[in-house]
Amino acid sequence: GAGVSQSPSNKVTEKGKDVELRCDPISGHTALYWYRQSLGQGLEFLIYFQGNSAPDKSGLPSDRFSAERTGGSVSTLTIQRTQQEDSAVYLCASSLGPAGTGELFFGEGSRLTVL
Amino acid sequence: GDSVTQMEGPVTLSEEAFLTINCTYTATGYPSLFWYVQYPGEGLQLLLKATKADDKGSNKGFEATYRKETTSFHLEKGSVQVSDSAVYFCALSNTDTGNQFYFGTGTSLTVIP
Repeated sequence: GAGVSQSPSNKVTEKGKDVELRCDPISGHTALYWYRQSLGQGLEFLIYFQGNSAPDKSGLPSDRFSAERTGGSVSTLTIQRTQQEDSAVYLCASSLGPAGTGELFFGEGSRLTVL
Repeated sequence: GDSVTQMEGPVTLSEEAFLTINCTYTATGYPSLFWYVQYPGEGLQLLLKATKADDKGSNKGFEATYRKETTSFHLEKGSVQVSDSAVYFCALSNTDTGNQFYFGTGTSLTVIP
């Protein structure tokens, strides 16, 4: 499809396990964001990729969280040694240009449940 | 730092009622302001935006005016429909202060027939 694609849509894991969440942005979009949406909370910024520049990791909550973007396209968010407080919906968004220049296009999210 | 505060919900209205969802912001410089909407089972999508003071964004009968003097961007619709039931998020971006889009906590709207 033409939109932002995320997988898996749902992931249930046990505390202490590692998880990987994938985002496939819209073709040609240079900017890619990861956000976390917890129940009753707004969207919490995690990380931002723009082209080949070094990512803005200022929102990652701990060193258990990491993300990469290969070839300026697909991105993977990895959470190591998951904790129950990591349970949330993880949203990926892409944009045609740099931050603030226009519209974010969101995927439907990956719902993570840590038991 | 930059932030967005929006009216807490949930909001329940009858069809054809007038809607206002309040949003105020804190930011240095001249941010861009947005309303995003999340319909049930779907991803967030842009509803409208305004990039400078006094601009009015509009779409699908919704409007919001960028008021720098009151640092507000309230969402309004004159006559809501059942199909407007969704969660609405106010957001800002500010290239002066970084790469983020700052989002409010979201306001859930339910319109009953």
